[in-house]
Amino acid sequence: DAGITQSPRHKVTETGTPVTLRCHQTENHRYMYWYRQDPGHGLRLIHYSYGVKDTDKGEVSDGYSVSRSKTEDFLLTLESATSSQTSVYFCAISESGEKLFFGSGTQLSVL
Amino acid sequence: AQSVTQLDSQVPVFEEAPVELRCNYSSSVSVYLFWYVQYPNQGLQLLLKYLSGSTLVKGINGFEAEFNKSQTSFHLRKPSVHISDTAEYFCAVSELNTDKLIFGTGTRLQVFP
Repeated sequence: DAGITQSPRHKVTETGTPVTLRCHQTENHRYMYWYRQDPGHGLRLIHYSYGVKDTDKGEVSDGYSVSRSKTEDFLLTLESATSSQTSVYFCAISESGEKLFFGSGTQLSVL
Repeated sequence: AQSVTQLDSQVPVFEEAPVELRCNYSSSVSVYLFWYVQYPNQGLQLLLKYLSGSTLVKGINGFEAEFNKSQTSFHLRKPSVHISDTAEYFCAVSELNTDKLIFGTGTRLQVFP
């Protein structure tokens, strides 16, 4: 299995609080992605990174920011969490953009 | 921008029957196409991919898919399914020279004994 660790695995938070999810890889892959998975919507790309400090927006980036200061870490921040951001969040990595390896997911509940 | 449509949200089928999961895409340029599988409470795993060459692509667990450029389709097939194939299947597309992989909404395959 590709070395991807997402933390935390589960989080419950209140509306209006900031939340940071972490994705850590040991594969030295260039590309890193954050997706959210919701029933009826499949996986939707939030943000992605193609190198240290190089990031770009995906389909559903509003309300989210990311940072990548090191190759191995890609952080997703919800600046002020809302109930609509309750979801399962998946991190993925790729060397070439042709094959993604996924983490185990983070279940986030915003009350 | 590219997009992916999986028209069937659920496909029920009996064990040992054949199955086809449909996927259509839209893009103004050449694309790479993928099928991923997600077993319960797990992340996604790559099942197969089309990058170039032969339009019939074989993947793991006996699955195959055929790229049809004129119909902009990439349907997934298996001639005889097993109970263990019960999972959610996602079609995905990536335009050449981009770094983004866009997923369809998924098809839940339920195999009954």
